[in-house]
Amino acid sequence: IAGITQAPTSQILAAGRRMTLRCTQDMRHNAMYWYRQDLGLGLRLIHYSNTAGTTGKGEVPDGYSVSRANTDDFPLTLASAVPSQTSVYFCASSDSGVKQFFGPGTRLTVL
Amino acid sequence: QQQVKQSPQSLIVQKGGISIINCAYENTAFDYFPWYQQFPGKGPALLIAIRPDVSEKKEGRFTISFNKSAKQFSLHIMDSQPGDSATYFCAARRRRGNQFYFGTGTSLTVIP
Repeated sequence: IAGITQAPTSQILAAGRRMTLRCTQDMRHNAMYWYRQDLGLGLRLIHYSNTAGTTGKGEVPDGYSVSRANTDDFPLTLASAVPSQTSVYFCASSDSGVKQFFGPGTRLTVL
Repeated sequence: QQQVKQSPQSLIVQKGGISIINCAYENTAFDYFPWYQQFPGKGPALLIAIRPDVSEKKEGRFTISFNKSAKQFSLHIMDSQPGDSATYFCAARRRRGNQFYFGTGTSLTVIP
């Protein structure tokens, strides 16, 4: 592994189902982030974590939860998916809290 | 409410020309201003960044101009090339909480 990996690459999900998007980094970065990207809206921060064991809410946290049990993993969970959560989701990490490295993204469709 | 406003939404430039993308912000708590480049199907990648204590930063063909009093910053791409065709995002970091806020993106097309 080099950098950030995200899984799955894409997913089609029925509304109401629970879904966890996975993110793993091998750079030992302290900070990690989840963004959603929607056309015309840019990237919006969902949740973030500045160090293992701590998390914070971003601009659009409703309907999403995260955990940070260790430095490398930062999963994003949709407890009960809704169509408005159809988006491309990007995970990112940062060493000094300045330069961010992004993963390849997960394309999620909620029907 | 969009914390960082970006314009234009799309831009078409001739090869060899100058591409200019503008961003504006209101929050004076922002302390770091990066620009990201994104190709289709890929994640954004850091292109260049600036801190508010300098007015300009240049890396190769890419220059950031920063106007602290006006709360504006811009990306200039000199000698634009077809390979520069991508979506560009400006962003700003709020130091407290270490949170980043992104502009809505500019789709740049450089025509040969």
